Amino acid sequence: GAVVSQHPSWVICKSGTSVKIECRSLDFQATTMFWYRQFPKQSLMLMATSNEGSKATYEQGVEKDKFLINHASLTLSTLTVTSAHPEDSSFYICSATSGGQYEQYFGPGTRLTVT
Amino acid sequence: AQSVTQLDSHVSVSEGTPVLLRCNYSSSYSPSLFWYVQHPNKGLQLLLKYTSAATLVKGINGFEAEFKKSETSFHLTKPSAHMSDAAEYFCVVSGGSQGNLIFGKGTKLSVKP
Repeated sequence: GAVVSQHPSWVICKSGTSVKIECRSLDFQATTMFWYRQFPKQSLMLMATSNEGSKATYEQGVEKDKFLINHASLTLSTLTVTSAHPEDSSFYICSATSGGQYEQYFGPGTRLTVT
Repeated sequence: AQSVTQLDSHVSVSEGTPVLLRCNYSSSYSPSLFWYVQHPNKGLQLLLKYTSAATLVKGINGFEAEFKKSETSFHLTKPSAHMSDAAEYFCVVSGGSQGNLIFGKGTKLSVKP
């Protein structure tokens, strides 16, 4: 099956700094990528949907100026958490698809801890 | 709007006994439904999906699910649990034209020896 990678897998940063998380589709072109957030022992919540070359569409309640998403190529999307705070600590998961009707492939996730 | 409800937050079974993880959905149109599994510190893995073809869907690792429109259910079953099945299971419905997924709250499956 298709492979999606995320980097880093784990990151610790200080409060007030910014962190960038990369999501790559390794063996297919991802026209659409999704970013999810998962709190401990909870389900995945969709944060935003990004299409290559377009601005991301954010879900209600997600601050677009805090969670910057860039989908500059068909194989790479990045999520930047700006001015991170401890409440941003979470597990961030991306997924990628070749199109709306196709299967989404998930990355392994990035655990962010803000101290 | 689409939604899914996983009826049990935690299910515990003995190895070799059947598994039943329950899921009900709500959708304004014919939905696409999925079951994903998440092992600790691992990425999500698709177990199976229903996309309006056969109502009984067979997935990987011996899992299957039956789409019942009259009951708006999509329960996940396996005849005989294995220790390696212990994980978190998510019932998911496709939510929109871009294919964004809506996740249930998850069911943690424990398998006792």
